Amino acid sequence: QSALTQSPSASGSPGQSVTISCTGTSSDVGSYNYVSWYQQHPGKAPKLMIYEVNKRPSGVPDRFSGSKSGNTASLTVSGLQAEDEADYYCSSYAGSNIYVFGTGTKVTVL
Amino acid sequence: QVQLRESGPGLVKPSQTLSLTCTVSGGSISSGGYYWSWIRQHPEKGLEWIGYIYYSGSAYYNRPLKSRVTISVDTSKNQFSLNLISVTAADTAVYNCARLMTTFEAFDIWGRGTMVTVSS
Repeated sequence: QSALTQSPSASGSPGQSVTISCTGTSSDVGSYNYVSWYQQHPGKAPKLMIYEVNKRPSGVPDRFSGSKSGNTASLTVSGLQAEDEADYYCSSYAGSNIYVFGTGTKVTVL
Repeated sequence: QVQLRESGPGLVKPSQTLSLTCTVSGGSISSGGYYWSWIRQHPEKGLEWIGYIYYSGSAYYNRPLKSRVTISVDTSKNQFSLNLISVTAADTAVYNCARLMTTFEAFDIWGRGTMVTVSS
């Protein structure tokens, strides 16, 4: 099972929006609505931001939203804030009790 | 509030066995609806799912690691553990334990992680 493909970096100015993509295959992202997104600040554990493609856990700002089309999922951060600067990882269920993570995207707030 | 904490040696010699334990507090590992997982992150790289176990003992592993990994659970201690045999420098990473929600197939609670270095 190969890692999901994410662009290495993305950036935006405060208040702007940034969208991160996560490309898998028809065996993982394309087959299941079990895509999740994680935010990781340096030296910290990842934090769940989105699950089931577009659902937010309690406490996650509605500036974070998710979507999926075919084999590609996306995370959009609207109204960028300084604290949104972090690494973001996607993950997908891949069937047969297997999970796969993305390669990660570093988001920079300019 | 459920919390997870990893523990174990920070240095392991090549060819030996890496053993880590995750202690669950604030909730029971035997409560249904969750898989108890291990995930690692190589330095400056992405996340890699290692495997998970249900409180009943059923375990599933990432295929590339399957021949070297064993995850076990001790419900009496509210802990689950990772054993990785025949380690090499490529196994040097931060190892996190995490709770996987079975309903939503997402890792909702993570431990802080523990760095394990494989070196002689």
